[in-house]
Amino acid sequence: GAVVSQHPSRVICKSGTSVKIECRSLDFQATTMFWYRQFPKQSLMLMATSNEGSKATYEQGVEKDKFLINHASLTLSTLTVTSAHPEDSSFYICSARDLRLAGGGNEQFFGPGTRLTVL
Amino acid sequence: KNEVEQSPQNLTAQEGEFITINCSYSVGISALHWLQQHPGGGIVSLFMLSSGKKKHGRLIATINIQEKHSSLHITASHPRDSAVYICAVSLFSGGGADGLTFGKGTHLIIQP
Repeated sequence: GAVVSQHPSRVICKSGTSVKIECRSLDFQATTMFWYRQFPKQSLMLMATSNEGSKATYEQGVEKDKFLINHASLTLSTLTVTSAHPEDSSFYICSARDLRLAGGGNEQFFGPGTRLTVL
Repeated sequence: KNEVEQSPQNLTAQEGEFITINCSYSVGISALHWLQQHPGGGIVSLFMLSSGKKKHGRLIATINIQEKHSSLHITASHPRDSAVYICAVSLFSGGGADGLTFGKGTHLIIQP
């Protein structure tokens, strides 16, 4: 159980285009989803926290107008990179948790990640 | 701001060796996670712990809350254990959900 999927797994796009990445919890309801990114040779960094039905909370330095997050249902969150530029090329990974679980739902389940390359 | 420090950054060992990876953090946490990341990037959650010790197969994770330190051990290491092992912490919150703060990872290579 506790499977999280991401789509697409890899995307290459031209500079200036928008890219949407989907994160789905397949067999549980995710009250919260997190979006992380990882630049080459660097550690994962939290971009934003998304709670179902409310606006996402962005980390300092992450532009909310550039990285649009929608968490419209308990099983789906989307990250849209608008007007992508080469510096946005990164590995984007989501995780999901269900706060209603015993212990406050601290455990996070990770998606397989999306590798974005902006030309 | 919580800092998560891992050591060593890189570790190469022979098959069968006992492996230890260390993690220290600077502020109070609600849980500590050990993750495994393979070359393709996918992440697998190995352990989540807030106290004591957990064991799963050849993997053992321990945490000392007072010392703000955790270790991940691999017994009878095997080449398929080669991966990046990441320590991450989630902070105490007032009932909300906090994203993780990650260490830089330990790149482990087990040679046959």
